[in-house]
Amino acid sequence: DQQVKQNSPSLSVQEGRISILNCDYTNSMFDYFLWYKKYPAEGPTFLISISSIKDKNEDGRFTVFLNKSAKHLSLHIVPSQPGDSAVYFCAGLSSNTGKLIFGQGTTLQVKP
Amino acid sequence: DAGVIQSPRHEVTEMGQEVTLRCKPISGHNSLFWYRQTMMRGLELLIYFNNNVPIDDSGMPEDRFSAKMPNASFSTLKIQPSEPRDSAVYFCASSPGGTGSYEQYFGPGTRLTVT
Repeated sequence: DQQVKQNSPSLSVQEGRISILNCDYTNSMFDYFLWYKKYPAEGPTFLISISSIKDKNEDGRFTVFLNKSAKHLSLHIVPSQPGDSAVYFCAGLSSNTGKLIFGQGTTLQVKP
Repeated sequence: DAGVIQSPRHEVTEMGQEVTLRCKPISGHNSLFWYRQTMMRGLELLIYFNNNVPIDDSGMPEDRFSAKMPNASFSTLKIQPSEPRDSAVYFCASSPGGTGSYEQYFGPGTRLTVT
């Protein structure tokens, strides 16, 4: 059972435009959601998170939106930059278990 | 801080050989996690430790895999005997632990190839 799903394997956007990465989940016990960014030959790095009691969290060019009723979250990057090109992972965390459950990842390409 | 350190960065071995992957977490972090990344299964948690004690090893694929954390600054993941299907990138991550400290910091990974 895949508890966290990123249904789009890849996304291509033009520099300066908005990138929207989507994530769906099935586990209602998640109380935090995190986005990680991964460059080739490196480990994932933490990007931004949101508590399940919030519906929006913003950090500079990055904003995460959470729709609990739809069990859906999205990461918005505005404006997109070529350096944002990477694989983005969505993850859910249940503080009871301390375990992060990751989605399959979405490869973002930002074209100059 | 140097971040999470993993060694080796690359490992090529023959089927049947023993493989040991090493991890040094960030100093002061109480939780340590081992992940495996493959094309088929994505990034999956194998085992995690809290204060050097294994808490959940339900992700360990089979008895050929074992992990230890003899002290707060060192952990190993061992595969014996290794098989070609174990080929993957193995990540170690650490976290401060405690309420609200849920971010995990990943090492650069070990790319394992079993021929």
